[in-house]
Order: sequence, then C-alpha cells, then structure tokens
Amino acid sequence: GAVVSQHPSWVICKSGTSVKIECRSLDFQATTMFWYRQFPKQSLMLMATSNEGSKATYEQGVEKDKFLINHASLTLSTLTVTSAHPEDSSFYICSASLSSGLAGAEQYFGPGTRLTVT
Amino acid sequence: AQSVTQLDSHVSVSEGTPVLLRCNYSSSYSPSLFWYVQHPNKGLQLLLKYTSAATLVKGINGFEAEFKKSETSFHLTKPSAHMSDAAEYFCVVSDPRGGADGLTFGKGTHLIIQP
Repeated sequence: GAVVSQHPSWVICKSGTSVKIECRSLDFQATTMFWYRQFPKQSLMLMATSNEGSKATYEQGVEKDKFLINHASLTLSTLTVTSAHPEDSSFYICSASLSSGLAGAEQYFGPGTRLTVT
Repeated sequence: AQSVTQLDSHVSVSEGTPVLLRCNYSSSYSPSLFWYVQHPNKGLQLLLKYTSAATLVKGINGFEAEFKKSETSFHLTKPSAHMSDAAEYFCVVSDPRGGADGLTFGKGTHLIIQP
C-alpha cells in the first residue's frame, strides 16, 4: 500500500518551454503533498508543500511563478516548470502524506522525474 | 530551526561486516527522525522512523537506529552488510509541531559494499 507515482519519469525540453509533472497517490488519499528537488549527488531540498484545494506554500528562494503547483484532488498534484532554463535541470521528487497536521507523519515518495532542459 | 548532519559522505565496508552510518540532528523540539534509502533510479524508501516511542528503532532489511537525546544522534546500524545494501542513505528530521511540514534531509551517505 501507499504507492506514489510520478509521470513522466524523465523529460527533455527546450529552453523557454513549460513542463508539467504529475504526482499521484495510487491507493490512498493524500491531504498533503510535497515537492522536492535533488541536484546530482546532493540531498533533497523541499520546494513547496501542497494541500488539496488550497494554494501551495513555497520555501524561501523558490519562485512560485516559475514552479506552479496545483493540488486539485486528494490523489493528484502537479508541478509545472514554466519557461524552463538549463539551470532548472534536476531530479524532481514528490511525496504524499496520509495524515495532515500530525507530527512525524510518514511521507511516501514517488520515483522522481528527471528533467533536462537543453 | 532544525537541521541534520550526516558525518560521512561515503562509507565503504566489506560484505558481511557491520555498517554504521552516522547522523546528528539539531532541533528546538523533540524531533521525529527517519532514515530513508535511495537506490539508483528508484524512489526513496523508508527504512525506519523514531517518533518519541522506544529509543531503539528496528527497521526493514535488518537495519536499526538508536535515538540518543544526550548526544543528539540517530546513527543507523546493521550487523552484517549485504551487497544489495549499496545505496544512498538519508537521515531526515521532521518538525514535531505538526502541520505536516516537509522534511529536512541530510546531505546523504553513499554506502559502498566491497565483495
């Protein structure tokens, strides 16, 4: 149980175009979803927290107009990288939490999406 | 603010020997702590978690970790390494005040298993 999928698993796009990444909780309803970014050989950095039906909360330094997050249902959150540039190339990982507002609630991670901007 | 420090970027052990991956944390509150493993081209998998219950936590695949408040440590151990344990390991801390906040990850430790 508690499986999270991401689509696509990898994408290559041209500079200036936009890319949408989907994150789905397959067998549970996720009140809260998180988006992380991981550069090669580095750790995961939280980008934003997404709650179903409300605006995402972005971490300091993350441009909300560049990284659009939509959490329209309890099983789907999307991250759109707008006007992508080569420096946006990275590994994007989403996670979903079963419990909202509980300390230590486990997060279930998707397999990640590798974005390459040429 | 919370933070987590993984003391070794790489650890190399021989197959069948013990594994020790070190982690120290900093938190103003009693934290929730996790260890995740990331295999190449795969998603993160939870190994174990500490949430203020027993200080010695047993996880999957023979791993365990001990929460030591006096040392602000949460080291990960395994008695006998297996080749399949080769992966990236992340020590993670969660804000205990709730709100389902995102996790704070350590920089990771790359575990290498020598045959």
